[in-house]
Amino acid sequence: NAGVMQNPRHLVRRRGQEARLRCSPMKGHSHVYWYRQLPEEGLKFMVYLQKENIIDESGMPKERFSAEFPKEGPSILRIQQVVRGDSAAYFCASSLSKGGFNIQYFGAGTRLSVL
Amino acid sequence: DQQVKQNSPSLSVQEGRISILNCDYTNSMFDYFLWYKKYPAEGPTFLISISSIKDKNEDGRFTVFLNKSAKHLSLHIVPSQPGDSAVYFCAAPGETSGSRLTFGEGTQLTVNP
Repeated sequence: NAGVMQNPRHLVRRRGQEARLRCSPMKGHSHVYWYRQLPEEGLKFMVYLQKENIIDESGMPKERFSAEFPKEGPSILRIQQVVRGDSAAYFCASSLSKGGFNIQYFGAGTRLSVL
Repeated sequence: DQQVKQNSPSLSVQEGRISILNCDYTNSMFDYFLWYKKYPAEGPTFLISISSIKDKNEDGRFTVFLNKSAKHLSLHIVPSQPGDSAVYFCAAPGETSGSRLTFGEGTQLTVNP
């Protein structure tokens, strides 16, 4: 009965390195969402994926950020050449179905610190 | 353009009293609203929802009220308990997609024993 699993919980990177954040949705959920929470701010939508498809990436920066949700394995949020401004908490959520009453269930987040 | 706003960053109440958390929105087409609770170093946890065709939904100590004419919703917690101390977010489906959520900035609730 596992919930949404994210790893790592904490990630420290130096400027210019790559960060990879992983998310395994709840069992039976095929919709995955990534959100970012900057210090002192609310959660901001980044990207919505289904298996092997990016459905909505309108909240994701055009440069350096990418996301995937392969047929097998977890969803990955990848940040290339990290900068200090990428330091934030990144949350993954999953849901059972799109539309209607779409309750999203969140993981514990990955806290990225860029030195 | 912030479509969902929580204007009070913090709220402090005494244990046993009522906590009222407020949220305003701009888009009258939202189909439903959600409230999430978040403890430090954890992810948001779904708390309660309300459909736009209702004006009230109750679940135990938690009640959400929706005033469509004022584009305002509120979460009432009664009686408040110290364990309710957390950040509360209201959320609504995004305008451009039925699936993403737009969150307010959150309100830090502190319930004092």
